[in-house]
Amino acid sequence: QKEVEQDPGPLSVPEGAIVSLNCTYSNSAFQYFMWYRQYSRKGPELLMYTYSSGNKEDGRFTAQVDKSSKYISLFIRDSQPSDSATYLCAMMDTGFQKLVFGTGTRLLVSP
Amino acid sequence: NAGVTQTPKFQVLKTGQSMTLQCAQDMNHNSMYWYRQDPGMGLRLIYYSASEGTTDKGEVPNGYNVSRLNKREFSLRLESAAPSQTSVYFCASRADTQYFGPGTRLTVL
Repeated sequence: QKEVEQDPGPLSVPEGAIVSLNCTYSNSAFQYFMWYRQYSRKGPELLMYTYSSGNKEDGRFTAQVDKSSKYISLFIRDSQPSDSATYLCAMMDTGFQKLVFGTGTRLLVSP
Repeated sequence: NAGVTQTPKFQVLKTGQSMTLQCAQDMNHNSMYWYRQDPGMGLRLIYYSASEGTTDKGEVPNGYNVSRLNKREFSLRLESAAPSQTSVYFCASRADTQYFGPGTRLTVL
């Protein structure tokens, strides 16, 4: 079993839809949770960064962490065609330098 | 402030050839990383360096070597390239979280 599981998609939605992207994990030591966005033929760029459980909002993006269920989510409101990309979840515990990544979910937002 | 830079952007090698991928960061980060990204496999850590002068193996280190030349630079070397090393390679550096370079697309024939 992988430490981090993420549905590869693709997830296709119309412009303006609310998008929900999710990851589950097995390592209860993970404390730091990140979402990266990766456009085709580009490097991943950090989108959201949260510590422990709870919600964090930044514009149209909301990151949610439920440590009791080992489940994290990224919500995108009023999705735009420019949001079409692959979204990678990543997580880290407090003792190590390494991030563990999900395989990424490809999102397609159609006009 | 360029962030993390990588050279070259593209490279084609023949089996058995060697090459070095270069990475530099100007954010004064202590930790640097090399990943490879393959379809369906996500990002896999090859090697990392927690600080200048130290390096450690990641998940898939076989066939690679690294050098942390100084705080800014972290290079990845393929001594004898194999077709299985065809991939996109990303370098990253870390403060609170990791910041990635634009990647090197490597094809080994």
